Amino acid sequence: GIQVEQSPPDLILQEGANSTLRCNFSDSVNNLQWFHQNPWGQLINLFYIPSGTKQNGRLSATTVATERYSLLYISSSQTTDSGVYFCAVAGANSKLTFGKGITLSVRP
Amino acid sequence: GAVVSQHPSRVICKSGTSVKIECRSLDFQATTMFWYRQFPKQSLMLMATSNEGSKATYEQGVEKDKFLINHASLTLSTLTVTSAHPEDSSFYICSALRTSGGAYTGELFFGEGSRLTVL
Repeated sequence: GIQVEQSPPDLILQEGANSTLRCNFSDSVNNLQWFHQNPWGQLINLFYIPSGTKQNGRLSATTVATERYSLLYISSSQTTDSGVYFCAVAGANSKLTFGKGITLSVRP
Repeated sequence: GAVVSQHPSRVICKSGTSVKIECRSLDFQATTMFWYRQFPKQSLMLMATSNEGSKATYEQGVEKDKFLINHASLTLSTLTVTSAHPEDSSFYICSALRTSGGAYTGELFFGEGSRLTVL
């Protein structure tokens, strides 16, 4: 199956700083999604981005499918951005495979 | 965005009993749903694919007799953990493949998750 690697595993930021989270995958994909898992466990959809670039407020994402990676940018981070960020990919069968996640801590 | 509702959010049961978890797509029809399991501080692992009107397909290592999946309608899939034991305690999350105009959009939406504790 497709392998997904996320880096760095942990990230500590001061409020207001910017950050880049990376997702590498081992094969071509039909789907790539970024999620934020809140403290209650719910997965919040951030981006559906199998290719290209999207922006939503302080967040943006870029996927370069030919080079098999995706980046999630967080600008002007806030304490509410803390949590675990997952990248997940799927091939033609639509089964999402998750990376191990990146734990982000934003300090006031 | 699309809404997927999962119930119950928390359940505590005694060892040996069965627990049913429901997953509903509220504003779209979902012929395909997926069930995931997540242990503390770990990633999500796919358990099975639930297909409306047909048998679920299970991932390798997942006991189909332990985790019964039923997808009887276009908006509801259920996961029943049978004869639960403490090692079944986990966070179970469902997802639905969103459709628009009858076609898959490719994007998955997740329920709120169900935390099962087996005593």
